[in-house]
Amino acid sequence: GAGVSQTPSNKVTEKGKYVELRCDPISGHTALYWYRQSLGQGPEFLIYFQGTGAADDSGLPNDRFFAVRPEGSVSTLKIQRTERGDSAVYLCASSSRGTGGFGPDTQYFGPGTRLTVL
Amino acid sequence: AQTVTQSQPEMSVQEAETVTLSCTYDTSESDYYLFWYKQPPSRQMILVIRQEAYKQQNATENRFSVNFQKAAKSFSLKISDSQLGDAAMYFCAYRSVGSGTYKYIFGTGTRLKVLA
Repeated sequence: GAGVSQTPSNKVTEKGKYVELRCDPISGHTALYWYRQSLGQGPEFLIYFQGTGAADDSGLPNDRFFAVRPEGSVSTLKIQRTERGDSAVYLCASSSRGTGGFGPDTQYFGPGTRLTVL
Repeated sequence: AQTVTQSQPEMSVQEAETVTLSCTYDTSESDYYLFWYKQPPSRQMILVIRQEAYKQQNATENRFSVNFQKAAKSFSLKISDSQLGDAAMYFCAYRSVGSGTYKYIFGTGTRLKVLA
């Protein structure tokens, strides 16, 4: 079956612009995560959705970052007034359960969107 | 706050040989999960192996096994019979249990090169 997909694969924008990054999780997966991966670093947690609601948004760096998942499937990460420091690969992952009595199940990652802010 | 440290930026191994990647972490929690993820050049992260802290037995998945030392807060990954396809970035990750947080905390990664 299809895996997690992310669009666009690359995005180049100018400082101050608004961008939207899209994530299509595996069908039926209720849990969805967004991460940011800067060059030479590991992924940094941004936000976690269980269904339509953001269960943990403690990783969002500031109020320029916002994410939605209105129907519990596709999610969009929105970045306002982009800054050069926002340049990174943005990864999305989904899992069938997220967490529960038997602990977190396997996250399936997408290929990421490379965002470059000029 | 929890931290994950991978002190080996890069490692090399000869094909068919064994290599061990190191990971240490810091936490005050008694129960948690630990993971190793593989990230090939395609960028798509893949789960290699996971360990529940309450389990004393080390996890194994085919050629991959871990050495989990809870008291020392160490979680190393051993790859046996290394193959060219094992070449990738490897990330160690930590996740709390039942604390209301869903964060995965990743280390900075180790780049593994496999020499033919």
